[in-house]
Amino acid sequence: NAGVTQTPKFQVLKTGQSMTLQCAQDMNHNSMYWYRQDPGMGLRLIYYSASEGTTDKGEVPNGYNVSRLNKREFSLRLESAAPSQTSVYFCASREGQQGKQYFGPGTRLTVT
Amino acid sequence: GENVEQHPSTLSVQEGDSAVIKCTYSDSASNYFPWYKQELGKGPQLIIDIRSNVGEKKDQRIAVTLNKTAKHFSLHITETQPEDSAVYFCAAFSAGTALIFGKGTTLSVSS
Repeated sequence: NAGVTQTPKFQVLKTGQSMTLQCAQDMNHNSMYWYRQDPGMGLRLIYYSASEGTTDKGEVPNGYNVSRLNKREFSLRLESAAPSQTSVYFCASREGQQGKQYFGPGTRLTVT
Repeated sequence: GENVEQHPSTLSVQEGDSAVIKCTYSDSASNYFPWYKQELGKGPQLIIDIRSNVGEKKDQRIAVTLNKTAKHFSLHITETQPEDSAVYFCAAFSAGTALIFGKGTTLSVSS
């Protein structure tokens, strides 16, 4: 049982490049989330998926797209990376409506 | 939407002392309040949580209290140890949305 896994662990992009951050969970959770973490800003919600086939915007969705590929996988795409997207990105999944939420180890992204 | 305020942003204590971190939330419909610990270079880890029908919950040296009327909840760590040094986040959840986090508290425990 690996929990929540994320790939890659580190990535450096040039401005304007695109990339997809991958996330998978093996806990059979319905809900999955993408957060970004910046110094002094805490964890801010980018997008979430309450169940397979649905996605919703969070606090900071601009510049990102998501895909809930199946129950296990939830990907985050940057179509045209900008330096302001330099951050640490965390994926999470949640058991049920009021259950516990578990985080992956994070992807450290730098955009130059 | 929900807004969570967390204080203090930094906290330094001596080993063996107690540490208290406080959070307030804005949405009276929120009904689940977890606390996470994040060590350097790692993802946040759930350490304790409380639901709105409970006023206090304890797990060994850590405890959480909830005051629904005042819309605030607190994390209490007793007999602190150097390995308690980390960033702690509170969060609030209301049905149909997602966990919203406070900005975090950096706890330093010196021996």
